[in-house]
This record gives sequence, structure tokens and C-alpha cells, in this order.
Amino acid sequence: GAGVSQSPSNKVTEKGKDVELRCDPISGHTALYWYRQRLGQGLEFLIYFQGNSAPDKSGLPSDRFSAERTGESVSTLTIQRTQQEDSAVYLCASSRTLLTQYFGPGTRLTVL
Amino acid sequence: KNQVEQSPQSLIILEGKNCTLQCNYTVSPFSNLRWYKQDTGRGPVSLTIMTFSENTKSNGRYTATLDADTKQSSLHITASQLSDSASYICVVSAAYRGANNLFFGTGTRLTVIP
Repeated sequence: GAGVSQSPSNKVTEKGKDVELRCDPISGHTALYWYRQRLGQGLEFLIYFQGNSAPDKSGLPSDRFSAERTGESVSTLTIQRTQQEDSAVYLCASSRTLLTQYFGPGTRLTVL
Repeated sequence: KNQVEQSPQSLIILEGKNCTLQCNYTVSPFSNLRWYKQDTGRGPVSLTIMTFSENTKSNGRYTATLDADTKQSSLHITASQLSDSASYICVVSAAYRGANNLFFGTGTRLTVIP
């Protein structure tokens, strides 16, 4: 596709369940970022993948959060044992250079 | 502490009017500053990006300014349209490597009414 896509667009889950969020970056973009955006708040960096380098996980809030990326393609963000405070929009972005990121539409996660 | 603050938090203007959004930052060392537009339910879309040596950049009816001395930026929207209703986010990059060198403001929520 022409842009970054994310799925699902909405996810409602029960507290304690695991969820997987998917991001398909723009083809050829070596960098991929995950962010979290809580209601009414700014974007919060989670994790960054750059090519085959080790990912920058410095933004992950706890060990319940993990992410993987296959080469320079799809990435999945996994949240284990979800908590209500995990409710947020999870945004993925990709870029070819260090300057401009292209964001996906996000996945709205609601933990009941 | 690296921070980005935006004002006002929200703004309502009549269609056709102009408005100016503010962004103050304390990020150092500075690399670049970007303004994004985020429509409800969508991801942010880049409007402008400015490096240290640039003090103004336009993108259609959007004009961003940067004063690197006072660490202030503004986004001016001319002849507003209903489609300008969105959140506008200021993002400042620090000049060191790594993805955690981006600092996001909480945005200004703009509503344009007919």
C-alpha cells in the first residue's frame, strides 16, 4: 500500500489477556517506531527498529510489552497480561531518513 | 529536562479567520522541529520541518516560524477551513542518535466553525 497500515483499528480486551498489534510499514523504510498516545496526552515513544540493528527498547514501560520486526517489514507489538492503564491508541511510524516519519492510523486499545 | 510545551491547549475560530499556535521547547542540543496535523482517529501527518538555520517554512496555508535563540516556534494558519479542525503537534528532535531523541508536545486542538 501507499502508507503505513495498522491492524486491528480497534481492539477491546479483558484485563489480563494478551494482545498483538500489527504494523505494516511503507516498503523500503528501514526505520520503524511504536508510540503510545493516551487520551488527551502527547505521543510516548515505546520502541524503535532500524534495519538489522538491535532495537531501541528504552521506551517500553514494562516487561509486559515487547515488539518484533521481521527484517524491514511487518512489526508486531505484544502486550501481555493487559491492564486498564494500557488503554490508549498505539501508533506505528516508519521512515526512510531521520527526518520525516509517516504514521499509521493507529490501533485503539481498550482494556476492560 | 527536555520538554515541549504547546499553547493554547484548545482553540475555536470561525471559518476564514487566521490563527497562530505556539510551541516552546527546552530540548538541547537541538536538531530540528516539526509540526504535525492529526485528524481525529488518524495518525499524525507532517506539515513542516525546520532545522536550526531555518526561521520560516510554508506549506500552503500553513506557515511555521522558528526562533532557535528563544526556543520558540509558531504555526500560523491563514484563511482557516473546516478541514483544518484537528490537533496540531509540535515535535522537537535532539541532536543525538537514537529514536528516543524525539520530544512531543501534547498538541493544540483546533476547531474551525462555520
